[in-house]
Amino acid sequence: GENVGLHLPTLSVQEGDNSIINCAYSNSASDYFIWYKQESGKGPQFIIDIRSNMDKRQGQRVTVLLNKTVKHLSLQIAATQPGDSAVYFCAEEYGNKLVFGAGTILRVKS
Amino acid sequence: NAGVTQTPKFQVLKTGQSMTLQCAQDMNHEYMSWYRQDPGMGLRLIHYSVGAGITDQGEVPNGYNVSRSTTEDFPLRLLSAAPSQTSVYFCASSLTGGMNTEAFFGQGTRLTVV
Repeated sequence: GENVGLHLPTLSVQEGDNSIINCAYSNSASDYFIWYKQESGKGPQFIIDIRSNMDKRQGQRVTVLLNKTVKHLSLQIAATQPGDSAVYFCAEEYGNKLVFGAGTILRVKS
Repeated sequence: NAGVTQTPKFQVLKTGQSMTLQCAQDMNHEYMSWYRQDPGMGLRLIHYSVGAGITDQGEVPNGYNVSRSTTEDFPLRLLSAAPSQTSVYFCASSLTGGMNTEAFFGQGTRLTVV
């Protein structure tokens, strides 16, 4: 049924600090994971991905960590900036389907 | 380079009306999908297609139909709109599905059913 009234968790960080956003995924058969950023009124935008045969991948200012033992994914953003404020979603891919988590709101305080 | 284009951006329907949300991509992607996003929630998969002529159901397919007659287009049809279908709808495409590739999203269609 519908989860009416469900509120997304919020992470508030000071500009310049590092941010860590966590995600628990559901399917142990998932073999590909993506982090997306969604700004208000826009569609999700790709940030970084990781395959199941890796446990860490780094991009520009972002790092994704994958712990398959506990089905946990995290996104680390270094030196967080005001432009990083958005909702962040993890997504897992299995069986031709890309399934999204509920999302985390990141608020950056100047 | 248009990417994924959705039309319309906004739509208000009365209960029982039908309409089609359009989605087109110009990247020659095989895989296309439709999601709905309700307030404070993540995206839920409605239907997807791994190529022209092939469609399949996602997590929440009831009340929606799709077709994929061409690689470029993947319309989503609401045959008899209900208030529970008030949501923001996103179309996405990727080079392939289930093959570890990035999905590109459209800007969304905000649908209100009254």
